[in-house]
Formats: sequence, C-alpha cells, structure tokens
Amino acid sequence: DAKTTQPPSMDCAEGRAANLPCNHSTISGNEYVYWYRQIHSQGPQYIIHGLKNNETNEMASLIITEDRKSSTLILPHATLRDTAVYYCIVSGTGNTPLVFGKGTRLSVIA
Amino acid sequence: KAGVTQTPRYLIKTRGQQVTLSCSPISGHRSVSWYQQTPGQGLQFLFEYFSETQRNKGNFPGRFSGRQFSNSRSEMNVSTLELGDSALYLCASSTLAGGPGELFFGEGSRLTVL
Repeated sequence: DAKTTQPPSMDCAEGRAANLPCNHSTISGNEYVYWYRQIHSQGPQYIIHGLKNNETNEMASLIITEDRKSSTLILPHATLRDTAVYYCIVSGTGNTPLVFGKGTRLSVIA
Repeated sequence: KAGVTQTPRYLIKTRGQQVTLSCSPISGHRSVSWYQQTPGQGLQFLFEYFSETQRNKGNFPGRFSGRQFSNSRSEMNVSTLELGDSALYLCASSTLAGGPGELFFGEGSRLTVL
C-alpha cells in the first residue's frame, strides 16, 4: 500500500505557483520522497526526489518539513501543459519498488 | 538518447489467449520494472528485473510472468487472459535496482481483452 496521502484534485491558475501537498507521517529515516507525474495517456515522468533537504531542479521544487512527515511539490509558474496526475511516493534504498498511490489530479486553468 | 520503447502499443485479444509484451530499456540501464495501470486499481507493480534476475514481484497471479535478456530487454507474458487483464502495461528502466533514482517510463502497451 502507498504510504502517502494526497488530495484527489486541485486547480491552479495558469502562471501561478502550484503547491501540491503530500503527507507521509510514517516515513522512515532512510526513505526518500519521490514525485512523478502522468499526463493523460502517457507513461509517468520523474520530477524530483529528496531525503531531508529541500531540492530544486528545472521542473520543480520539493520542500520537506523538518520532521519529514509531509512535503510540498512546487511548480513555480504552472502552464496548461502541467495538467496531470501528480504522484508522491515514499521509498527506501535498495531493493524496493516504487508504490504509486492515487495521486493528485492537477488542473491548470487558463 | 532513445527512451524506453514498448511494443506493441495497442493490442486486442480474446479471453483465454496469451500475450507477450516487449520492453527495450534505455541503453545502459540494467533494471526493468513492469506496472499495470487500470482505472480502478491505478498503477500496480508487477515485477522488476536486474541483470536477468527477478528482484521483486508484486501481488499478481502466476499467469503473469516476465524475463530479461542479456541485453537488458525484457518481456512480460500473460497467459489465459481474463477480461480484467485489460489495462495499460507500463515498463520502466533505471540504472539501479531499487532506489534512490529515477525511473524512466515508456508509453505503455494498451491491452484490451474481449
């Protein structure tokens, strides 16, 4: 079972920041937080991952709370192409497959 | 470089038949994972192969099987197809078995069982 809880859906105005929350209150010390997204009819796409520190790449920023029980994915300037289902996944190192939950359906509105 | 390639992209089978799906990972990637996606169950992990060895298996019946070849290409087979096997089957490759790391997904093979 997925170890994360996400809102089922969110809306965001085009050009504004999209902040997608994720709760993972049972995360272990060696488990990472991953974010993927899936645009309709395509395979999931990796966005970002982190362990303790906040992370940023060309697509997004990942903010992890100090107690690591929750995180937020930030898309700084959402576009219509960011409309997708966003998955927050907690997974450890080694031989553990990624377990996808139901994710958050983000709709970016013009 | 080329991404993950899955073939065929679409196929239609009837109940009781079997199907083989193919996945060519990104060059240099030795780990291949398979997922099943349905509207009701979402993305569910099937199995993972690394260097021709199955490293992990999800909770699916024995009708679902897979293998990986020495060139890292992978196939999955579903025998005695059931209506409920209709799904998008996704393959993903990565450089490592397990995390941390990035999974690169293909576009999937959409199977319809009639």
